[in-house]
Amino acid sequence: SQKIEQNSEALNIQEGKTATLTCNYTNYSPAYLQWYRQDPGRGPVFLLLIRENEKEKRKERLKVTFDTTLKQSLFHITASQPADSATYLCALDMITGGSYIPTFGRGTSLIVHP
Amino acid sequence: NAGVMQNPRHLVRRRGQEARLRCSPMKGHSHVYWYRQLPEEGLKFMVYLQKENIIDESGMPKERFSAEFPKEGPSILRIQQVVRGDSAAYFCASSPSSPLVSEQFFGPGTRLTVL
Repeated sequence: SQKIEQNSEALNIQEGKTATLTCNYTNYSPAYLQWYRQDPGRGPVFLLLIRENEKEKRKERLKVTFDTTLKQSLFHITASQPADSATYLCALDMITGGSYIPTFGRGTSLIVHP
Repeated sequence: NAGVMQNPRHLVRRRGQEARLRCSPMKGHSHVYWYRQLPEEGLKFMVYLQKENIIDESGMPKERFSAEFPKEGPSILRIQQVVRGDSAAYFCASSPSSPLVSEQFFGPGTRLTVL
């Protein structure tokens, strides 16, 4: 069956370092992949979308890579700040009942220490 | 442009009662999605609607749950005869077009507690 895996353990890093989060998937070939940020008690907020024919995408301090051979996406936050502390979700489009529906991983919690 | 609005933000029901959750998409958005999130779990897709049409309800439980998105007014997720296992955060998201080409904009969620 199709699976999306994100590290369930929280990632703790020091302010100023680069945070790298991983999203692995199996038994599927998504056309695109998205990353969202979710703060406690709030809805997810869209960050970046990368298509299958793109290897890398950047937005300010954020960078996403998409390796369709490894079936993996990496999400990087450079020069991390305490305000970057949140849960980060990856989502893949999956055909469900005939429609493309973003299917989310469980998310990885990032904690940036000052 | 107001974001996606959901109400109520918190809803408490006793077992057997009905819960009605409302979602107003962003202006100009015609696609609405409902998700359920349990603590420490990911967002689980429930249903995808366009105005007056259910496009995909493959994630909806077969019984007690229903959704609509009328021509006028908000989208409604209805849960009849709630049970404790229905306690969760329910998120609505909207997009201007097919999810194939655009991201989703989420509302703040409705936290349902069933006593």
